[in-house]
This record gives sequence, structure tokens and C-alpha cells, in this order.
Amino acid sequence: DIVMTQSPDSLAVSLGERATISCKSSQSVLSRSNNKNYLAWYQQKPGQPPKLVISWASTRESGVPDRFSGSGSGTDFTLTISSLQAEDVAVYYCHQYSNLPYTFGRGTRLEI
Amino acid sequence: QVQLVESGGGVVQPGRSLRLSCAASGFAFSSSVMHWVRQAPGKGLEWVALISYDGNTQYYADSVKGRFTISRDNSKNTMFLQMNSLRGEDTAIYYCVSSRPEDGTIDQWGQGTPVTVSS
Repeated sequence: DIVMTQSPDSLAVSLGERATISCKSSQSVLSRSNNKNYLAWYQQKPGQPPKLVISWASTRESGVPDRFSGSGSGTDFTLTISSLQAEDVAVYYCHQYSNLPYTFGRGTRLEI
Repeated sequence: QVQLVESGGGVVQPGRSLRLSCAASGFAFSSSVMHWVRQAPGKGLEWVALISYDGNTQYYADSVKGRFTISRDNSKNTMFLQMNSLRGEDTAIYYCVSSRPEDGTIDQWGQGTPVTVSS
């Protein structure tokens, strides 16, 4: 199974400041056939289901503010929120959909 | 818009069974790979199972293999999860989740249905 390791477990950032979350996979999630990274980021607010924010490691979903960005390739990935807003407080999960069983990171709790 | 509505959760004793349902609407259900993902209280996300668009192929997490069965009825836009021999560690919110037909990305989630296994 591919193990997804997120860091940190929790993060406190001031409003307007940058937040950076790391995700490392135990093996590459980059497909040689299409050169795409099978890595997604989800945002989960209290009492709600997760919401897809980034797919293919760096593709922002429709309606997601452009302060959210994803980067990385192979085994090392980063989710960056360039200027934290109050509504960004949530738990963020990385997820690999390269190999079965699909796996998620343990989550990073982002606070102000 | 896309709607995924789970039902069937509840409180059940260890060793008993439960059947979850997911009613889908607003997208091409019969073209979509579907999943169940669960979240234990205060914990992270765990992928449980997937079923191919036509229902012919299923995959399971090791933690549920041999006990859970995923199925679908494309004529009714509905997916199911039959859970047998339930254990305390199966206690979680169970989410019905869809993948985009074009690339397999898990993109839409239901609100979830809670399952509690306790004597």
C-alpha cells in the first residue's frame, strides 16, 4: 500500500499569511504513461464532507479561490494557501489515486 | 447539481449486519466509478471499496475484505454496501463518493451516514 505522510499535523497561521502543507508518498504517484501525478487535496470543515480543491497535484478545481495552489511531483507534494482567510480553517487531506488501495494522509488541521 | 444521498446507517451490535444505500442524481451515474469512504470519530479518511461503472469489478480495503460487499443498480442510480460481521472498528461515518468518468478523480461526496457498532 502507498503510505501518505502529511506534515505538520496542525498548523496555526495568521490571517493574510502563507500556509504550507507537505505530503509525501511512500512510492511515486507519477504515471509514466501520461506524465500525471495521481494526487489530490481535500478540504474538510467541521460537520461537512470533504471537498476536492486540487486534483492532478496542481489543478485547482472550479470555484476554488486562486490563493490555493498545489505543487510537486513523484513523491513530494505541497499545498499552499497564499493569504489565509478565516474561511480556510479546516482539515486538509492529501490522497493518492495511483494504486489500489487508494490512501489518504492523516490530515493537517489548519487554524488561525 | 450532483447529489449523493446515503441512508441505512444506525446502531448495530457486533457480529450483526447492515446495508447502506446511496441514491445518486445530477450526473452520469452509470458511467462513473463509485466508492465508499469512511471516517471514524475524530479520525481521518479511509477508503473502503470501489465498484466499476458497470458493476462487474469491485475492490476492497483489506480491513473489510470478505465482510463487506459493494454493489450497484444502474437502472435506479443507486449503490449499496452490505456490511456483515460488523466490528467496533467499523464505527464511522460512511460516505458515498463518485469519481469523474473522464479521469477517475474522486470529486463528489455525500453527507455521509453514521454507523455505530456497539453492544
